[in-house]
Amino acid sequence: EVQLLESGGGLVQPGGSLRLSCAASGFTFNNYAMSWVRQAPGKGLEWVSAISGSGGSTYYADSVKGRFIISRDNSKNTLYLQMNSLRAEDTAVYYCAKIPGYSTSGYFDYWGQGTLVTVSS
Amino acid sequence: DIQMTQSPSSLSASVGDRVTITCRASQDISNSLAWYQQKPGKAPKLLLYAASRLESGVPSRFSGSGSGTDYTLTISSLQPEDFATYYCQQYYSTPQTFGQGTKVEIK
Repeated sequence: EVQLLESGGGLVQPGGSLRLSCAASGFTFNNYAMSWVRQAPGKGLEWVSAISGSGGSTYYADSVKGRFIISRDNSKNTLYLQMNSLRAEDTAVYYCAKIPGYSTSGYFDYWGQGTLVTVSS
Repeated sequence: DIQMTQSPSSLSASVGDRVTITCRASQDISNSLAWYQQKPGKAPKLLLYAASRLESGVPSRFSGSGSGTDYTLTISSLQPEDFATYYCQQYYSTPQTFGQGTKVEIK
């Protein structure tokens, strides 16, 4: 059974940093691209970032480019999102999601339960 | 970026009704379209991909159609557990983009 378990969310002040983790199990992690998708309170879904199975290719939404870094440790079956220079508009539930293929361009067949990031003073 | 426009933004329907939600892309996405269902406080769940392919385990009352820029999600006979918000998503190009969502409420 595929499982994705996010952690690392919380309350952070504007300008601060946070690192999210997503522990994956139930599939061969390094064979699949992964992504982060967020949802602001009461709003729709927004794609944030994606990374290829090897970690060699990464992509970012313009809204987070230069501030967020996606990475993965295939030896630990874990996906990360390092979030720096956080802004109030980054407040959202962050989901990690599995893409059913090696390429980063795809839909999301499994999602984690989400972790809430709140940016506020 | 490819813009995805869903309609309607919300609808009220009764159990047993046939429900149709549409999604229009700002350019041809060659059937690279997925549909998701999201219930309050839960993660989205994949329903269909490649515009019309049903994800394993999803009831057959859900179906998808379309081509080019225009796509449709149909629920043939609405069930109590189908009251939720539905999103379309294009994966033809990065950034993958979502529609704004359609909330299906009980009439």
